[in-house]
Amino acid sequence: GAVVSQHPSRVICKSGTSVKIECRSLDFQATTMFWYRQFPKKSLMLMATSNEGSKATYEQGVEKDKFLINHASLTLSTLTVTSAHPEDSSFYICSARDKASGHYNEQFFGPGTRLTVL
Amino acid sequence: DQQVKQNSPSLSVQEGRISILNCDYTNSMFDYFLWYKKYPAEGPTFLISISSIKDKNEDGRFTVFLNKSAKHLSLHIVPSQPGDSAVYFCAQGGYNKLIFGAGTRLAVHP
Repeated sequence: GAVVSQHPSRVICKSGTSVKIECRSLDFQATTMFWYRQFPKKSLMLMATSNEGSKATYEQGVEKDKFLINHASLTLSTLTVTSAHPEDSSFYICSARDKASGHYNEQFFGPGTRLTVL
Repeated sequence: DQQVKQNSPSLSVQEGRISILNCDYTNSMFDYFLWYKKYPAEGPTFLISISSIKDKNEDGRFTVFLNKSAKHLSLHIVPSQPGDSAVYFCAQGGYNKLIFGAGTRLAVHP
């Protein structure tokens, strides 16, 4: 149980285009989903917290107009990188907290999406 | 400035011996700490956690120690197995947020 999927696993796009990444909780309901970004040999950096049915909360320094987050249902959150540039190339990981649990350790991670912007 | 630091980017240990992964933090506001394990091309998986009311938590081969005065925690794996080879992240968390260290790559060799 507690499986989180991400789609696509890899995407290559041209500079200036937009890319959508999906994060799904497959066997549980997630009121809260998180989006992280990982640079090579760096830690996971929290970008935003997404609550179902409300606007996402962005971390300081993260452009909300560039990284659009939608959490329309209890099992799906999407991250859209708009007008992508090469510096947006990174590994994006989502996680989801089980609605039934209030513990921090009940945050389940997806496998990540490797974005390369040419 | 990093709030959670893992100063050793890599560690190599012989199978059967103890692996000790270290983590330092600067902010005492959040009182819960977690260790995650990550294989390549996969998301992190939860390993073990500890709250600040404890100084030790054990789960099978994995033990986490917390030294609040030194703002330091460590993960001990004993005995180490080749399947333990992965990147280990420590994280500090309040209710709605996790702050991760940069990770330590553990290699367990025969």
